[in-house]
Amino acid sequence: GESVGLHLPTLSVQEGDNSIINCAYSNSASDYFIWYKQESGKGPQFIIDIRSNMDKRQGQRVTVLLNKTVKHLSLQIAATQPGDSAVYFCAEVGGSGNTGKLIFGQGTTLQVKP
Amino acid sequence: NAGVMQNPRHLVRRRGQEARLRCSPMKGHSHVYWYRQLPEEGLKFMVYLQKENIIDESGMPKERFSAEFPKEGPSILRIQQVVRGDSAAYFCASSPPQGRMAFFGQGTRLTVV
Repeated sequence: GESVGLHLPTLSVQEGDNSIINCAYSNSASDYFIWYKQESGKGPQFIIDIRSNMDKRQGQRVTVLLNKTVKHLSLQIAATQPGDSAVYFCAEVGGSGNTGKLIFGQGTTLQVKP
Repeated sequence: NAGVMQNPRHLVRRRGQEARLRCSPMKGHSHVYWYRQLPEEGLKFMVYLQKENIIDESGMPKERFSAEFPKEGPSILRIQQVVRGDSAAYFCASSPPQGRMAFFGQGTRLTVV
């Protein structure tokens, strides 16, 4: 069945360093992917999205890379800050023509050391 | 412009009681989704509703769980005869018609004692 998974349950980085969080997906027909950030006790917060017709998309301090050949996504955070500490989920939009039905991975906890 | 509003934020129920979770979507959003998150896990899709219609309930447990999104008022996720395994965070998301992006509420944390 469809699944989206994340490598490494926890990532620890030094403040100011760049962070890279990886994600593998299994449904080659998926055409839209989203990264969410979830802080403790809060709901998922949209970070950045990418469609399958793109390889790269940049936001403010964040970049998402999509490699369709190996079905791999990554989220890069530049100059990581303490406020970036959270759990990061990649999600795949599922269902033909559907909007919001998301298939989430297990999440990677990002810990930023001061 | 208020975001997705969920209430209550925390709900404690004894085994066998009913739990009702409410979700008011963002203004202009007619699509509502419910997700469940167990501790240390990702979110799992439960159900997708539009006004007065259930579009996709493939993630809903077959018994005790139901959802509605009436013409007026919030969407309701109802869990009858709760058991300890129902303890989780329940998140609602909404999106506009034709929209690809869903915005999440802060969740309701259900504890069954």
